[in-house]
Amino acid sequence: NAGVTQTPKFQVLKTGQSMTLQCAQDMNHEYMSWYRQDPGMGLRLIHYSVGAGITDQGEVPNGYNVSRSTTEDFPLRLLSAAPSQTSVYFCASSYSLQASNTIYFGEGSWLTVV
Amino acid sequence: GENVEQHPSTLSVQEGDSAVIKCTYSDSASNYFPWYKQELGKGPQLIIDIRSNVGEKKDQRIAVTLNKTAKHFSLHITETQPEDSAVYFCAAERGADGLTFGKGTHLIIQP
Repeated sequence: NAGVTQTPKFQVLKTGQSMTLQCAQDMNHEYMSWYRQDPGMGLRLIHYSVGAGITDQGEVPNGYNVSRSTTEDFPLRLLSAAPSQTSVYFCASSYSLQASNTIYFGEGSWLTVV
Repeated sequence: GENVEQHPSTLSVQEGDSAVIKCTYSDSASNYFPWYKQELGKGPQLIIDIRSNVGEKKDQRIAVTLNKTAKHFSLHITETQPEDSAVYFCAAERGADGLTFGKGTHLIIQP
């Protein structure tokens, strides 16, 4: 059981480039989400999905797109990378978006935009 | 929306001593309060959680207390060990809105 798998682990982008961070889970979880983690800021929600075909914005969605074509996958797209998007990104999943459902995090993706 | 404040941002304790991390939340509708531990280079992992109908919960050396009236909850680690060194996050959830995290506490265990 792999849990939540993120790729790539590390990435350096130039300003203006686009890329996709991949996230997959094998626990048949309905709820998936993306967070970014910055020093002193904790974890901030970017986008989330409560099931295939359904996505919604979190606290900091600007500059990011998501889609959920399958239950397993929830990719995060940066359309035109900016230095402000330099961060550590975590994908997470849980059985459903209800209180007390354990959220499982991936190992993180370190992104640097130069 | 929900706002979660976490203190202190850094906590250094001697090995074997106890550590306490405190969080406050703003939304009285929040009903689930998990704590996550994040080791260097890893994703956060759930270590303990508490629901709003419970005042205290223990799991070996870790305990969490909740005061709904005051809207604050705390993580207590007793007999600290070197492997307890990590960043700890509290969070609050009120159902469909998902989790709101505190900004984290860097716990340092001094040998």
